[in-house]
Amino acid sequence: DTEVTQTPKHLVMGMTNKKSLKCEQHMGHRAMYWYKQKAKKPPELMFVYSYEKLSINESVPSRFSPECPNSSLLNLHLHALQPEDSALYLCASSQVGQGTGGYTFGSGTRLTVV
Amino acid sequence: GEDVEQSLFLSVREGDSSVINCTYTDSSSTYLYWYKQEPGAGLQLLTYIFSNMDMKQDQRLTVLLNKKDKHLSLRIADTQTGDSAIYFCAEIFYGGATNKLIFGTGTLLAVQP
Repeated sequence: DTEVTQTPKHLVMGMTNKKSLKCEQHMGHRAMYWYKQKAKKPPELMFVYSYEKLSINESVPSRFSPECPNSSLLNLHLHALQPEDSALYLCASSQVGQGTGGYTFGSGTRLTVV
Repeated sequence: GEDVEQSLFLSVREGDSSVINCTYTDSSSTYLYWYKQEPGAGLQLLTYIFSNMDMKQDQRLTVLLNKKDKHLSLRIADTQTGDSAIYFCAEIFYGGATNKLIFGTGTLLAVQP
């Protein structure tokens, strides 16, 4: 299995809702990542997990809460989002450390906040 | 800084070669990558180059690396309409056991039939 699977593919939520994005990989990668991508912009790193521990938080607002319950799963919990949080949310995984050979990305969850 | 710069737009005719350029910042980067993103899709890793290489060829793709000038380029030979997409170069920044992949600004490649 050489894929990163993200669910759901599309999500519409109100500003008072709580929802979660899910990401799964079975490549034995011990580093997992969340990126946010606005239209016509490059992906921006949000969080990095290494060996199931949060190692980088790129000053992301607390309304985004990541969770890595095991080495194959990565969640992003969403609460009280704003319309400007509407974007494509991409999950990725890789080997830890140097010599990674690249990240494998999922196809993303397109989030619309209304 | 972590700025990785690319030209915004490139238009070519089908069958021509395309050259997409990238200027990166971290001279200690071990790997540099090229990703492709089609409309509404995720990111597809096209190729990568190790920093001790000047050139890497992979079928229609040729990557050139100039470490002195921190310049990376991707050449696509015999460009097809299916190559129309946004192309991102990306650079790894290392922080101990953790690394982060930072993307360039992206180049929209439009292939005219």
